[in-house]
This record gives sequence, C-alpha cells and structure tokens, in this order.
Amino acid sequence: EVQLVQSGAEVKKPGESLKISCKGSGYSFTSYWIGWVRQMPGKGLEWMGIIYPGDSDTRYSPSFQGQVTISADKSISTAYLQWSSLKASDTAMYYCARHIVAGPLEYDAFDIWGQGTMVTVSS
Amino acid sequence: EIVMTQSPATLSVSPGERATLSCRASQSVSSNLAWYQQKPGQAPRLLIYGASTRATGIPARFSGSGSGTEFTLTISSLQSEDFAVYYCQQYNNWPPREMYTFGQGTKLEIK
Repeated sequence: EVQLVQSGAEVKKPGESLKISCKGSGYSFTSYWIGWVRQMPGKGLEWMGIIYPGDSDTRYSPSFQGQVTISADKSISTAYLQWSSLKASDTAMYYCARHIVAGPLEYDAFDIWGQGTMVTVSS
Repeated sequence: EIVMTQSPATLSVSPGERATLSCRASQSVSSNLAWYQQKPGQAPRLLIYGASTRATGIPARFSGSGSGTEFTLTISSLQSEDFAVYYCQQYNNWPPREMYTFGQGTKLEIK
C-alpha cells in the first residue's frame, strides 16, 4: 500500500525549534516530489514548499521562504519540515503529500496525503 | 501570483440533487487544475486532475470541466458521504518559481 505516515502531534512554546517528519512507503520514495501544506484552524489549504528526495532539490512558496526548512533523508524514505523559532501563528495542521505528474499531458497533482501533524504553539 | 477564487463559499444541496462548484483563476492555468475533497478531521483526497480526469477510485458522479481561467466541479447525484469541503488547486511554473495555489474552498452542506 502506498502511504505517507507523519509524526505525531506537537505542543511547543514560542521560540522553540521543531522538526516534523513524513515517511513514505509502498513506492519509490526518491522518484516523487513531496509537498508540504499548511491548514490553520478552521481555514483552507496553503502550499508551503516541495522537495525531490532523489537529490533534495527544494522549492518554497514565497510566503514560507525563510520561515521553514524542508529536507529529506532518502536512506529512510523520510521528508521533514522544520522551524528554528516557532511563533504562535505557526499553530496549524501540517500535511505532506506526494506529487504526481499524471496523464498523457502530464498534469500535476498531489495524490497521496499523510494523515497530518497538528502543531500547537502556545506559552 | 495566480489567485484562485472559489464560489460559492457555502453551497446547500439536498441528497440526490446535482451540485455545481466553481473555481476561477486570475490568469490562465491551461488545464493544470486539480480538485480535492476534505472531510472534517481528514486529510484532503484527490478527486480530479488535469481539470477533467478522475483520480483512481473516484466515482463517476464526480466530473470536472473547464480550461484557462474557469473551472467547474459537478457532483451529479449527491450522496451523504459527499458533504465536505472542496478545494481547487492550480500549478504553474512561471514566473520562475513553481507554485501550487489553492482556492479558499467551498463547503458543500446538506440542505
């Protein structure tokens, strides 16, 4: 079964650092980009960035550039999202998702999603 | 940055009826548009990619149409499990930064 399994919920204080993970299985992890998506409480989906685990090529949304770091360890089929100094406004559910290029005209989409990691930042 | 605008914000429809959800792009995205369904407490699920191709396992009552800047997701006969929030998403790689922009979502609720 193709799946992405994310690390568990986190409760942190402002200023603390955090690294959450997303482990892929059931497919060639190094052959697909992995994206990260934020969902603040009661709000919509926001694309944060994407990484190609095969060579760690990484792209960021302008809204998140410099705010988070996306990385991957292909030896253990795991992608990461990390913060060096959390803020209360980072409180959200974070999803990882596998990016595909599908169909004869090679359209883009995210076909497999992790279950989400809830991050709560509060003093 | 391409902005995706979904309408309406909330749509009330009775089970068995048809639902039509709209998504508009601020500039052309060709047919590089996907639709996702999200139920409370769950991750999003891919329904449609390439504006009109159903993803694996998606029932035929879901259909997508459109190209350029105007897109539609139609659910032909609503089932109880279809009441959820629906998001459109576009991909573009120009200006020189890949972007995957989501719409703000349409909540489909039982009338």
